[in-house]
Amino acid sequence: DGGITQSPKYLFRKEGQNVTLSCEQNLNHDAMYWYRQDPGQGLRLIYYSQIVNDFQKGDIAEGYSVSREKKESFPLTVTSAQKNPTAFYLCASSGVYTDTQYFGPGTRLTVL
Amino acid sequence: GEDVEQSLFLSVREGDSSVINCTYTDSSSTYLYWYKQEPGAGLQLLTYIFSNMDMKQDQRLTVLLNKKDKHLSLRIADTQTGDSAIYFCAENNAGNMLTFGGGTRLMVKP
Repeated sequence: DGGITQSPKYLFRKEGQNVTLSCEQNLNHDAMYWYRQDPGQGLRLIYYSQIVNDFQKGDIAEGYSVSREKKESFPLTVTSAQKNPTAFYLCASSGVYTDTQYFGPGTRLTVL
Repeated sequence: GEDVEQSLFLSVREGDSSVINCTYTDSSSTYLYWYKQEPGAGLQLLTYIFSNMDMKQDQRLTVLLNKKDKHLSLRIADTQTGDSAIYFCAENNAGNMLTFGGGTRLMVKP
């Protein structure tokens, strides 16, 4: 059963803590992406990776970090430097960098 | 800069057609997409159209593209209650960065 999985579905964090969101895909896609969605708004790009061991900042990278050590995994860390981290986070992947993007089910992060 | 705009809300009766509109600004876009998002879920790709096409039909879905006016629309025929969701249009640029509209919430009344 191919697809993109994100875990956990819901995540709660205290202020000042770092937290890591998981994104895994078994589609053999080269490119992966992280987006942030706020209520009533579209998606904004945080980071993307075109290939293993490479990643680039998106429009709103401040306060976030990523790694791409394996083709199938692209974890996102929300650091304490992110001032307003409560949001819905979506991971996506595409076959190659210019292909159509497919999305995971999302992780809702709430900072208490 | 790039900007994609959609109306916020659309309400239709079950069985009617729905038309969701989108305007974009990047004339270099190669593909334009429509995604569907149900509550608490990720985005589901509905359809896409290549920029050299005017129309694409896929079962109940019809996409119209007016490249001169930079206007994209999604028509859903025979709208069902299961079509209630938020619909996002998105354009890509040469670097495959997707720019999303703010989404249109479609409500289908029985």
